[in-house]
Amino acid sequence: NAGVTQTPKFQVLKTGQSMTLQCAQDMNHEYMSWYRQDPGMGLRLIHYSVGAGITDQGEVPNGYNVSRSTTEDFPLRLLSAAPSQTSVYFCASSYGYSYYGYTFGSGTRLTVV
Amino acid sequence: SQQGEEDPQALSIQEGENATMNCSYKTSINNLQWYRQNSGRGLVHLILIRSNEREKHSGRLRVTLDTSKKSSSLLITASRAADTASYFCATVEGSGNTPLVFGKGTRLSVIA
Repeated sequence: NAGVTQTPKFQVLKTGQSMTLQCAQDMNHEYMSWYRQDPGMGLRLIHYSVGAGITDQGEVPNGYNVSRSTTEDFPLRLLSAAPSQTSVYFCASSYGYSYYGYTFGSGTRLTVV
Repeated sequence: SQQGEEDPQALSIQEGENATMNCSYKTSINNLQWYRQNSGRGLVHLILIRSNEREKHSGRLRVTLDTSKKSSSLLITASRAADTASYFCATVEGSGNTPLVFGKGTRLSVIA
């Protein structure tokens, strides 16, 4: 049972480049979400999904796109990377977004230069 | 916006001592959760306490919730060096149909 798998673990981008952070879970969780973690800021919600075909914005959605075509996968797309998007990104999943604990991936450390 | 605020921001104790971390929040909640994050790793769910509960235990962890004061505490008894990590509280606001909102965390160092 792999849990939540994030790839890549590390990435360096140049300003203006685009890329997709991958997230997959094998627990049949309906709810998936993306957070970013910056020093001194805790975790901030970027986007979330309550099921296949349904997504919604979190606190800091600008510059990011998501889609949820399957229950298992929830990729996060950076459209045109900016230095302000340098951060550690975590994907999380749960049976439901309110009443259950979340399972987190190990994170993607992204640097935009 | 962030709901929970942990106190203290950093805590250093000797192995075998108890560690207490506090979390205050601003609005009514459905439940409150505590997570642990080891350096360079993802977060791990520790415990969930619902708004109608006052105390929960899990092994060496004890969580209390005081909804009248909008606060929670996490007690780790008989701390070990392996407990060194950051600890986050997270809340589900209002009726419960909202995602988790995390605080900024408490960094605990347990010295052997």
